[in-house]
Amino acid sequence: DAKTTQPNSMESNEEEPVHLPCNHSTISGTDYIHWYRQLPSQGPEYVIHGLTSNVNNRMASLAIAEDRKSSTLILHRATLRDAAVYYCILRTYGGATNKLIFGTGTLLAVQP
Amino acid sequence: EAGVVQSPRYKIIEKKQPVAFWCNPISGHNTLYWYLQNLGQGPELLIRYENEEAVDDSQLPKDRFSAERLKGVDSTLKIQPAELGDSAVYLCASSLLQGDTQYFGPGTRLTVL
Repeated sequence: DAKTTQPNSMESNEEEPVHLPCNHSTISGTDYIHWYRQLPSQGPEYVIHGLTSNVNNRMASLAIAEDRKSSTLILHRATLRDAAVYYCILRTYGGATNKLIFGTGTLLAVQP
Repeated sequence: EAGVVQSPRYKIIEKKQPVAFWCNPISGHNTLYWYLQNLGQGPELLIRYENEEAVDDSQLPKDRFSAERLKGVDSTLKIQPAELGDSAVYLCASSLLQGDTQYFGPGTRLTVL
């Protein structure tokens, strides 16, 4: 499975946008880019995923570089409840295992 | 809709004792996963079930860990005997089908003394 690289930690101010980067230079054509986040003392929760085009949902936006070697998760207005570890994961569909392989993620701190 | 339910939320045991964790997935979800999460790390898959069949248990330490999913609904993960290094959070997740979005429970935090 292709690997992702994320900063260990980032800091943001409340009500400001947050851009969480992810590098995945060895991504293959069948890899989808998934983002999950894990709030303190909770299990991970799905945020968003995409293949080539930028994606928007009620939680966030996902901007994917044209060469697909990097992507950015965008939280448009950070709140204190967005403080969490954010995981960027590549997932290959059609593979034998089809599992999520988590890295160490980015710990996002949101300051009031 | 109820999410993935896990119990207990916390468990403290002495080493060499057995321990069991229980998971009730979201109703109708065929695929069930057990993950292990060590402090400061992301979750790692232990085992994946498709209905009642374990289809990926390559990362499950079979000398002391066992799991079952009778009737393809609830699942139990057991450790016997527990070791100090087993202290971690054990997460259960489910998805409608393999490849779909996974929904995680809150986990069971195990402390082995």
